[in-house]
Amino acid sequence: AQKITQTQPGMFVQEKEAVTLDCTYDTSDPSYGLFWYKQPSSGEMIFLIYQGSYDQQNATEGRYSLNFQKARKSANLVISASQLGDSAMYFCAMRGFNTNAGKSTFGDGTTLTVKP
Amino acid sequence: DGGITQSPKYLFRKEGQNVTLSCEQNLNHDAMYWYRQDPGQGLRLIYYSQIVNDFQKGDIAEGYSVSREKKESFPLTVTSAQKNPTAFYLCASTAGTTSQNEQFFGPGTRLTVL
Repeated sequence: AQKITQTQPGMFVQEKEAVTLDCTYDTSDPSYGLFWYKQPSSGEMIFLIYQGSYDQQNATEGRYSLNFQKARKSANLVISASQLGDSAMYFCAMRGFNTNAGKSTFGDGTTLTVKP
Repeated sequence: DGGITQSPKYLFRKEGQNVTLSCEQNLNHDAMYWYRQDPGQGLRLIYYSQIVNDFQKGDIAEGYSVSREKKESFPLTVTSAQKNPTAFYLCASTAGTTSQNEQFFGPGTRLTVL
């Protein structure tokens, strides 16, 4: 079975500051992928960043970076230089390659509010 | 432009009625998924299909049914057996089932039972 835990229901950050959203996971798959998505109030899910379990480097995509600590089973999202448009719900997800091929598991999400 | 379309955007259902939510993709993706999202919560997997004419139950399949007769279409029927169907429904697809494939999502259908 796969499990994603996001322990921060809500977070606040000042505009232009950096913020870290926590994600821990559990899986029996030796190979897996970790994903972060953004969901604005409109409801659409926007893919942000991907980290493979065998990737040596932490993933980065513009202002988004993923702090991947495999031994601790954590995949925290770091957003640098926060903008008002970053206010949204953020979901961590994973997909296993072997026993859970094709099936994604999502966390409960973190609501981020950026203050001007 | 390639993407996923869901219709309708808003749907109202009377108790005891079956309703079908449409999901169409022109991304040529093999795998398609249906999720349910309740307010302030994460996504829960209802059904998924990795190939045409085949699909598997997710974590909360009771009261739902699907079909996958064409690669580009994966409709979801919410039956009268679903006790609390009011929710936001998201359809998604991936190019394959290996772990590095991101999921592409449709805009969602908001279902309300009157």
